[in-house]
Amino acid sequence: DTAVSQTPKYLVTQMGNDKSIKCEQNLGHDTMYWYKQDSKKFLKIMFSYNNKELIINETVPNRFSPKSPDKAHLNLHINSLELGDSAVYFCASSQMLGQPQHFGDGTRLSIL
Amino acid sequence: AQSVAQPEDQVNVAEGNPLTVKCTYSVSGNPYLFWYVQYPNRGLQFLLKYITGDNLVKGSYGFEAEFNKSQTSFHLKKPSALVSDSALYFCAVRDGGSGNTGKLIFGQGTTLQVKP
Repeated sequence: DTAVSQTPKYLVTQMGNDKSIKCEQNLGHDTMYWYKQDSKKFLKIMFSYNNKELIINETVPNRFSPKSPDKAHLNLHINSLELGDSAVYFCASSQMLGQPQHFGDGTRLSIL
Repeated sequence: AQSVAQPEDQVNVAEGNPLTVKCTYSVSGNPYLFWYVQYPNRGLQFLLKYITGDNLVKGSYGFEAEFNKSQTSFHLKKPSALVSDSALYFCAVRDGGSGNTGKLIFGQGTTLQVKP
């Protein structure tokens, strides 16, 4: 039973399109995160939510918008996709702020 | 500002030999330190953490890490490497000061290659 699941696993789309990535955790955790991992494997936090409240909002273009309908879900919507958005996006969760994080297996986004 | 450095892009070690993956950090308050491992096409997996207490922390899969405050280091170690330990390892730090958001700063990662 997957603890943190992301869909889709792969996303290939054209520049200018709008796409969403979904994330669900069944661990009962309060905090969820979105990370971006670039082609050099560098990992950077984008957003985090604690009990559905936005806690971290890094310097990310406004085209990226997270939505947390409930504690178990944190989705990421991206408008007007650009070539530079190509990366692997990871969702993670932790029991509370600052606790060890459990990661999903990532969504590989490729922009044509 | 918080930062984490992993000075080696790659570490090569023979199976059965001890391994060390280096990490140094810089934080304004007390550090909360973590090690994660990433296998190909997978998400990161938590290995161990240091928050307070004993400077030698034991974690998953036989890994341990030593917190050294004077050298601001948190090196990952294992007495006897396995081929299956080959992966990408990340050190991360969280500022333990007040008002923290739980935000982790990750190092750039070190690829561990264990050869039979």
